[in-house]
Amino acid sequence: DSGVTQTPKHLITATGQRVTLRCSPRSGDLSVYWYQQSLDQGLQFLIQYYNGEERAKGNILERFSAQQFPDLHSELNLSSLELGDSALYFCASSVSNRSSNTGELFFGEGSRLTVL
Amino acid sequence: KNQVEQSPQSLIILEGKNCTLQCNYTVSPFSNLRWYKQDTGRGPVSLTIMTFSENTKSNGRYTATLDADTKQSSLHITASQLSDSASYICVVRGAAGNKLTFGGGTRVLVKP
Repeated sequence: DSGVTQTPKHLITATGQRVTLRCSPRSGDLSVYWYQQSLDQGLQFLIQYYNGEERAKGNILERFSAQQFPDLHSELNLSSLELGDSALYFCASSVSNRSSNTGELFFGEGSRLTVL
Repeated sequence: KNQVEQSPQSLIILEGKNCTLQCNYTVSPFSNLRWYKQDTGRGPVSLTIMTFSENTKSNGRYTATLDADTKQSSLHITASQLSDSASYICVVRGAAGNKLTFGGGTRVLVKP
């Protein structure tokens, strides 16, 4: 158990809909990362938050947005869903954003999104 | 552009045999390199971390090497077990901006 909690584990929805994925980082971790993994593909970095502020952005679509709340949990919002958005969405957390950190990411078990 | 290339993309080995996975990177300046193991449908888990000054590090049957001069790392699996079937992902952290660059992973299938 990594200590990172993601909900829901599975989600089935229709094209055009909007969903929210939730992530609770490990206790004490300030950084939260979101990744998308399509079938048989590698992990694609979407976005990173550190202590409530956006720190880095990857290949995140404009239809997607995220935020990190004062209690450090994070939500990833996916809107106007398309078939191609079907994927596993992973959240990861780490202690800090500093370069002195060895940078181990602790991953949740993922949220599997299926868009029909 | 920072890149991390892994090879092979996939491999099949018989239980009990050894195998070696490769990771080449262009990330510079370099901070560290991690190997993660990802079981199917699960989140990746860190196996080992290599920093600039380290050449070899073992974690049970997993041994990682790093050649910072040639920007190459390898992960050797000894006496493979069925539970080693997974994807192995090489992740390099750059020293500038603390950015992570992921490799595409190597999918390993261990057959009895």
